[in-house]
Order: sequence, then C-alpha cells, then structure tokens
Amino acid sequence: SAVISQKPSRDICQRGTSLTIQCQVDSQVTMMFWYRQQPGQSLTLIATANQGSEATYESGFVIDKFPISRPNLTFSTLTVSNMSPEDSSIYLCSGRQGNYGYTFGSGTRLTVV
Amino acid sequence: TQLLEQSPQFLSIQEGENLTVYCNSSSVFSSLQWYRQEPGEGPVLLVTVVTGGEVKKLKRLTFQFGDARKDSSLHITAAQPGDTGLYLCAGVDFNKFYFGSGTKLNVKP
Repeated sequence: SAVISQKPSRDICQRGTSLTIQCQVDSQVTMMFWYRQQPGQSLTLIATANQGSEATYESGFVIDKFPISRPNLTFSTLTVSNMSPEDSSIYLCSGRQGNYGYTFGSGTRLTVV
Repeated sequence: TQLLEQSPQFLSIQEGENLTVYCNSSSVFSSLQWYRQEPGEGPVLLVTVVTGGEVKKLKRLTFQFGDARKDSSLHITAAQPGDTGLYLCAGVDFNKFYFGSGTKLNVKP
C-alpha cells in the first residue's frame, strides 16, 4: 500500500496567520481526502481532492478557509487560513488506491494561540 | 450527528479478556472498514468487509459485517496491551467514507 509523508507534524501558530500542510505519496493515488480530528475522537471529513479539479467540501467547510491544491496524483496541500484557536486540531490526509486501499498520513497537530 | 455510532465509547480491560466493539448505522454501505489508531499516528487499516454476513479473521481479531450491511462488529480474543488504541469503523459509500464515533481501548497488563 502507499506510504504518505505528511508535514509539518506539529506547529504552533499565531491567530490570523495561515498554515499549509503538505502530503506526499510514494505512489499515485486516485483520490485524496483531508480530515480533522480532535485528540482521541473520530475523524471529520473536510474535503475530497481530485487531480485537475476543484476540491469537494463537506458541509461546514469552505474553500476560502481551507483551500486545497492537488497538482498531481502524488501530492496535495491543505491551507488553514486566518486561523483562530477553534482551528486547533489534528489534520490528516488520506489517499485511496483501487477500491479499498486507504492510507493515512501521520497527521499535523496544530495549535493556534 | 454521527452517521456511524460505535459502542462502547471507552473500554478498559485486563490482559487476556475478550471484548466486542459494535458499529451501527441506519444507512447501508457498500463496504465497511476497521482502523486502529495510536496517539500521534494516522489510522491504520485493519480490514475491509464487503459482503453482508461476511466474517473475517485477523489473528485474534474477528470482524463481522451485518447481513443488511448497516452494522459491523469487532471481537478481540485474549486482548494484549499492544491492542491498546482508538478503534474506528468507517462506512464506504461511493467515493466517500464516514468514520464512526470511535472506541478507546485500554488493555492493562
């Protein structure tokens, strides 16, 4: 299965600034997903990113706040814009290969102060 | 509201005990997956079940998909401290999958 390298692993940011999280996959994946997770809790899907098209956002998430890029089949970025303390969370990317092969990055722990 | 509800939410047991985690939904899924996540790591896929009524075994772990493909269970036999972690079910529907509410398992030596 694919291996995803996600960075940064953690960051502490000032409110009002933006942070871009990167995910690099060691092989091509058809779809990539971005999630948010509070420690010890379940994952909430932010958006689905396909190459060459705009990301599809879930209810409660908008492109202006979480712009996503997917320039090719092995790379994607998520930006958390104009951050506030409520954005403090763990952000994870995931890639899909075939019908059932899903792999996750190790996550980015974001703290906004 | 969570599309998939897991129970129990927390479970603390002694090494050697058996346990079952449930994942229930009112929706039908084309497949269902189980993941285990440790602190500071992403979820790791344990199994995918596709057919209603399907049972899969992975060493001491037994996974079952409900006949109607709305629910699933994970049974662990003779739990070990290494089984400690957050267990998540995920229902797959077309190109999306929805995570369950999670079960935190702690196995004490």
